[in-house]
Amino acid sequence: DVKVTQSSRYLVKRTGEKVFLECVQDMDHENMFWYRQDPGLGLRLIYFSYDVKMKEKGDIPEGYSVSREKKERFSLILESASTNQTSMYLCASSVTGRGTEAFFGQGTRLTVV
Amino acid sequence: GENVEQHPSTLSVQEGDSAVIKCTYSDSASNYFPWYKQELGKRPQLIIDIRSNVGEKKDQRIAVTLNKTAKHFSLHITETQPEDSAVYFCAASIGGNTPLVFGKGTRLSVIA
Repeated sequence: DVKVTQSSRYLVKRTGEKVFLECVQDMDHENMFWYRQDPGLGLRLIYFSYDVKMKEKGDIPEGYSVSREKKERFSLILESASTNQTSMYLCASSVTGRGTEAFFGQGTRLTVV
Repeated sequence: GENVEQHPSTLSVQEGDSAVIKCTYSDSASNYFPWYKQELGKRPQLIIDIRSNVGEKKDQRIAVTLNKTAKHFSLHITETQPEDSAVYFCAASIGGNTPLVFGKGTRLSVIA
């Protein structure tokens, strides 16, 4: 079974803190993604990476950065957390190919107070 | 870039009835169209997908149809059951290492 694991299920952080969300996959997938899920807005892409040390901006990258130092790990960084970043964050991974399934982590519910 | 529209946003059906969720996409280069189901408190999981060289695909009570000319695709669930209650997302991709672009989701409620 493909496993995508996010380091925390729930997080509460203060405004202005630097926040790290970690994601690890165990299937040697090339591609990794960070999505944000908000009610009524669906899944919006923040950043993605198709190789180690490579990153591409998604639709809503402002206020976020990412790091991919190893193939299996993709980190999302909130440089200075704000209340409007309170959300569910979902990591996903996939292999490169002619349309392939994305496997999701269990999600991190982040609350910024 | 790709844009995926999904309708309706909420859908209530009686147990045993059929449910249909529709999506449209904008990029004619898209060739992969998966559907994900997200139960409450759980991760989205793939339930069925279709590629651009196929018009219809079935898996037991679930079917997906694709109309490339009109750039729309639909999810059909027959004989709905309470365990079908969830949020369903459609998505589209041009393949390679490009990300899936998701619709906003449909909350399906199956009333017993």
